Amino acid sequence: DVKVTQSSRYLVKRTGEKVFLECVQDMDHENMFWYRQDPGLGLRLIYFSYDVKMKEKGDIPEGYSVSREKKERFSLILESASTNQTSMYLCASNTGGTDTQYFGPGTRLTVL
Amino acid sequence: QQQVKQSPQSLIVQKGGIPIINCAYENTAFDYFPWYQQFPGKGPALLIAIRPDVSEKKEGRFTISFNKSAKQFSLHIMDSQPGDSATYFCAASKEYGNKLVFGAGTILRVKS
Repeated sequence: DVKVTQSSRYLVKRTGEKVFLECVQDMDHENMFWYRQDPGLGLRLIYFSYDVKMKEKGDIPEGYSVSREKKERFSLILESASTNQTSMYLCASNTGGTDTQYFGPGTRLTVL
Repeated sequence: QQQVKQSPQSLIVQKGGIPIINCAYENTAFDYFPWYQQFPGKGPALLIAIRPDVSEKKEGRFTISFNKSAKQFSLHIMDSQPGDSATYFCAASKEYGNKLVFGAGTILRVKS
């Protein structure tokens, strides 16, 4: 069974803090993705990575950065958290050449 | 702007009914159309997917209908059950395995 885990289910941070969200997958997948999920907007792609140290911007990269130092781990970084980054963050992964993306359970981030 | 438009936003049906969720897209380069199902507290999971070379795909009680000329596709759930109560997302992709564009989601409630 594919397993994608995220470091926290719930997180509360203050405006201006640097926030790290961690994602780990155990299936040796090449591709990893970060989405945010907001009511009425669906899932929107922030960044994705197709290999270690490789990254590409998604549709809404502003205010975020990512890091992929190991194949199994993909981190999302909020350099200076703002209240409009309060959201559900979902990590996903898949193998290059297949379509199904496997999602983690999500991290609900609240920025006060 | 939303590249994949999904409707309705929410839907309530009686057990045994046939809920239908519709999606429309503009980009004719899209060549993969999955539906994801998300239960509360969980990440989305692939339910069923279709490519534009067929007009219909059925898996169990779930059917995708695809109309290439109208650039529309829909999900039908036959004999719906309370356990089908979830949020459903349509999506589209123009690259094999990467960069899914999601609809806004439909919250389905099946009443027993």
